Amino acid sequence: DAGVIQSPRHEVTEMGQEVTLRCKPISGHDYLFWYRQTMMRGLELLIYFNNNVPIDDSGMPEDRFSAKMPNASFSTLKIQPSEPRDSAVYFCASSAVSGSGLYEQYFGPGTRLTVT
Amino acid sequence: KQEVTQIPAALSVPEGENLVLNCSFTDSAIYNLQWFRQDPGKGLTSLLLIQSSQREQTSGRLNASLDKSSGRSTLYIAASQPGDSATYLCAVRPRMDSSYKLIFGSGTRLLVRP
Repeated sequence: DAGVIQSPRHEVTEMGQEVTLRCKPISGHDYLFWYRQTMMRGLELLIYFNNNVPIDDSGMPEDRFSAKMPNASFSTLKIQPSEPRDSAVYFCASSAVSGSGLYEQYFGPGTRLTVT
Repeated sequence: KQEVTQIPAALSVPEGENLVLNCSFTDSAIYNLQWFRQDPGKGLTSLLLIQSSQREQTSGRLNASLDKSSGRSTLYIAASQPGDSATYLCAVRPRMDSSYKLIFGSGTRLLVRP
């Protein structure tokens, strides 16, 4: 498997523009997570899905952020309008519970977002 | 509220030295604890996962221990190499609400000098 795939890898945009980040989870994984990493706040969970349904979005900072998972192989995180303080690295991760009950998250390479 | 702390924030050691990274968490009600490695500009790579019922896990030169009652985990790296230089993060999965979320520490940045 190719692992978790994210696109784009880098995004530079101007304040006020809409930004869409994309994620393809590992095939067969039924959990998908969106994280944001900054120097000041570290790695924070924004939202996660189970079987395409949002389970916990308590980490989404404000209404400018929205996430969707239209099917098991694709998810988007949208910021509209973007602001300079949204500049960060956004990670997508996926997981599945193994037969032995283990649960392990696998991360994508991240999207580095810069809002000027 | 579960909080995860990693000390020290940065560590520099000469090649060949054995070292220990520390992770502490405030609430012992966890399902598991996971150690990750992050190279600059890259994503996170899972190193070891310890279930709450386990005391330790080993993979090659890495050994992770878990003392749930005291809220502590350590990652032991034997015979360190320059290639081990990276940021190491620990994360716990809280038992609260049967959640599948992970709570991360801020990481320890390790430099192994040749």
